[in-house]
Amino acid sequence: DIQMTQSPSTLSASVGDRVTITCRASQSISSWLAWYQQKPGKAPNLLIYKASSLESGVPPRFSGSGSGTEFTLTINSLQPDDFATYFCQQYNNFPYTFGQGTNLEIK
Amino acid sequence: QVQLQESGPGLVKPSGTLSLTCAVSGGSISSNNWWIWVRQPPGKGLEWIGEIYHSGSTNYNPSLKSRLTISVDMSKNQFSLKLSSVTAADTAVYYCARGQPYYYDYWGQGTLVTVSP
Repeated sequence: DIQMTQSPSTLSASVGDRVTITCRASQSISSWLAWYQQKPGKAPNLLIYKASSLESGVPPRFSGSGSGTEFTLTINSLQPDDFATYFCQQYNNFPYTFGQGTNLEIK
Repeated sequence: QVQLQESGPGLVKPSGTLSLTCAVSGGSISSNNWWIWVRQPPGKGLEWIGEIYHSGSTNYNPSLKSRLTISVDMSKNQFSLKLSSVTAADTAVYYCARGQPYYYDYWGQGTLVTVSP
């Protein structure tokens, strides 16, 4: 299985900050990566697919980049609604796998 | 707007079979999408369980394959999950989702299944 490792596990930030979350794959996954946001008690919500494509309806302050084994999710000008847990997912190889999550909390 | 809704028992005994159904509304299960099951143990990350296409083609997580069956019922516009020989390690919130086709744009609200005597 392809292992997806996110860093950091927890990130403290303030409203208005710019933050970056990293996701590393144990082998190359080309650009077959998605990012999700999850709030407590809710299902994940798709933000980014194919590493850098913004899902319809997602604010443009979210952006993704990377290819191969290293990927980043950047959130510009953090809003109160952005404090949540973020997961990456690879869909290059079965079984598809997720990162362990990054908890973005208010500083 | 596509909506997915999981249903099934919230409590299953050890060694029993976990059975869940995902009803799809606002769209057809025969569309060009894969239909997915994902689970999340309490306080932990997401695990991909498997997927099905309306033709009946499936892909399963090898770690669960020997215990897993995913099926589709086009007449009811729904798909189902059966996981046999469950243990406490199968306790989780189970989500169904729509694959587009390999990332997931619509999700059910999730249903907690607890494995306990």
